[in-house]
Amino acid sequence: DVKVTQSSRYLVKRTGEKVFLECVQDMDHENMFWYRQDPGLGLRLIYFSYDVKMKEKGDIPEGYSVSREKKERFSLILESASTNQTSMYLCASKQNPGTSGSRTGELFFGEGSRLTVL
Amino acid sequence: QKEVEQDPGPLSVPEGAIVSLNCTYSNSAFQYFMWYRQYSRKGPELLMYTYSSGNKEDGRFTAQVDKSSKYISLFIRDSQPSDSATYLCAVGKSNFGNEKLTFGTGTRLTIIP
Repeated sequence: DVKVTQSSRYLVKRTGEKVFLECVQDMDHENMFWYRQDPGLGLRLIYFSYDVKMKEKGDIPEGYSVSREKKERFSLILESASTNQTSMYLCASKQNPGTSGSRTGELFFGEGSRLTVL
Repeated sequence: QKEVEQDPGPLSVPEGAIVSLNCTYSNSAFQYFMWYRQYSRKGPELLMYTYSSGNKEDGRFTAQVDKSSKYISLFIRDSQPSDSATYLCAVGKSNFGNEKLTFGTGTRLTIIP
């Protein structure tokens, strides 16, 4: 089974702190994504990466950065946390189509990291 | 206007009832349609996937797509308490790996025993 692991399920940070959210996938997927999920707003894409060291902005990249130094790991960084970044953060990975064992287009999600910024 | 609209609910139905969940989308470029199920304090997981108009059935679940109306539905037959979850529709323009899916806001469903 594909496994996407987010290192921290629950975090509490203070305003201005630097926050790292780590995500690791074990199925050699090329593509990885960071979303935040808020009530009434659904899932919103922050950043995604389609290859090592490659990244593209999603719909709401402001206040965030990402790092992908290894294929299996995709990190989300909040340089200076603010209260409006209190949210559930979801990491996901996806294989390119045509790769054996892939159900085309399926995003595999981690269990989420609930961040509270005080 | 949001690209995907989904009634957030909440929706409560008795066990055994047929459940209908719906989304509308605005861009005819969307060709791939998915339903994800998300249990409380868990990440979403893919439930149904289709890329054509019509119906696709998997056990008690049926996904229906009407591209002419830009309307997608998920039907759950013989609903069970274990179906209680948030259901998210998602749409995409391609099946490329770097395709950015657009999600609905999710409908919270409770099946009452």
